[in-house]
Amino acid sequence: ETGVTQSPTHLIKTRGQQVTLRCSSQSGHNTVSWYQQALGQGPQFIFQYYREEENGRGNFPPRFSGLQFPNYSSELNVNALELDDSALYLCASSLDRRIYEQYFGPGTRLTVT
Amino acid sequence: TQLLEQSPQFLSIQEGENLTVYCNSSSVFSSLQWYRQEPGEGPVLLVTVVTGGEVKKLKRLTFQFGDARKDSSLHITAAQPGDTGLYLCAGDLRAGGTSYGKLTFGQGTILTVHP
Repeated sequence: ETGVTQSPTHLIKTRGQQVTLRCSSQSGHNTVSWYQQALGQGPQFIFQYYREEENGRGNFPPRFSGLQFPNYSSELNVNALELDDSALYLCASSLDRRIYEQYFGPGTRLTVT
Repeated sequence: TQLLEQSPQFLSIQEGENLTVYCNSSSVFSSLQWYRQEPGEGPVLLVTVVTGGEVKKLKRLTFQFGDARKDSSLHITAAQPGDTGLYLCAGDLRAGGTSYGKLTFGQGTILTVHP
């Protein structure tokens, strides 16, 4: 059973650019949730995807968007990057939207300069 | 507004000491989880508590969920340097019987255990 994987590990972008982060869910899981974790803070919920449909969104602007594919892997896209977008982006997978049984990936560290 | 307040934010202790981390909210949670996160890694689930008043033990770690399901605590006995890390509580917030479908995290407690 493979765990949750994320790519890339680290990324440096310039303000105004666009970025795509990727997540492969744990085998058998059909739900992926994305979180943003600023330095020294707890993760903040961005959105969740269940069977390729968005199933809930946190307080993030529309320039944060996502996709889930038929194999349940997922992408997080951020347009018009701002300095405050610098953070660790975590994805977590689970079965059938069970957020109390989520398994997190190692995260992607995004730095916006 | 922070829905989950963790305290203390920082804890620096000597090996062998006991400690308690608290997680409090004014809202009711249908379930609450505790995670441990190490630098450069994602959070790792330690435990999920569901029932008010529930107590779970995991070796030297004891987790308690408040009777009203608004607070929780994590107690570590005889802390070891390997316990060092960021401890996060997270809750499944529900209002009026409807789940918001997301985990709400506290800001975390950074624990350092010195040999």
